Amino acid sequence: EDQVTQSPEALRLQEGESSSLNCSYTVSGLRGLFWYRQDPGKGPEFLFTLYSAGEEKEKERLKATLTKKESFLHITAPKPEDSATYLCAVQAWRTQGGSEKLVFGKGTKLTVNP
Amino acid sequence: ETGVTQTPRHLVMGMTNKKSLKCEQHLGHNAMYWYKQSAKKPLELMFVYNFKEQTENNSVPSRFSPECPNSSHLFLHLHTLQPEDSALYLCASSQDVGGVQPQHFGDGTRLSIL
Repeated sequence: EDQVTQSPEALRLQEGESSSLNCSYTVSGLRGLFWYRQDPGKGPEFLFTLYSAGEEKEKERLKATLTKKESFLHITAPKPEDSATYLCAVQAWRTQGGSEKLVFGKGTKLTVNP
Repeated sequence: ETGVTQTPRHLVMGMTNKKSLKCEQHLGHNAMYWYKQSAKKPLELMFVYNFKEQTENNSVPSRFSPECPNSSHLFLHLHTLQPEDSALYLCASSQDVGGVQPQHFGDGTRLSIL
């Protein structure tokens, strides 16, 4: 069964204090890994898609990386507006009769204090 | 503002009521999804529609009845719900169900069952 585990569950940073969020996954064959940001009272907002080990994507202060077992979301010099819950999801190759639905982790709640 | 609009944003109903959730997407996508998001749990896929045809029902109880009249609109009809059905219900859309494509989410309907 496909599984996604995100750590830590919650993270508090001071403004400017860089850190990383982890997404570990177990899938039969990875087609893609997605990162989303979710603000309170809002739906998830798409950030990145990663397709293969070694790939990296960047957007402002965020950089996502991918290995064969996990993905990291690196946050460089975060600001208070980066506070949100960050969700990771994987899409696996369809096995016979199986589904390519996204499997989500529980998320990491990031708080950046000024 | 996202390209996926959900109404109502909040809904309180008794266990014997019948209500409907509405989702509309303005992204020109062909696939639409219903998810349930409960506290401390990952997003749970409920239903998938591709070109108006249901392609997935993730063992959802029959008290939830989806309807997709066209590729831009998706409904979730609710009847005889249970207290454990209280959650955030999210609608999402993607270009279609093939390939590795990000899903774009609405801001959800917060449902409370009395």
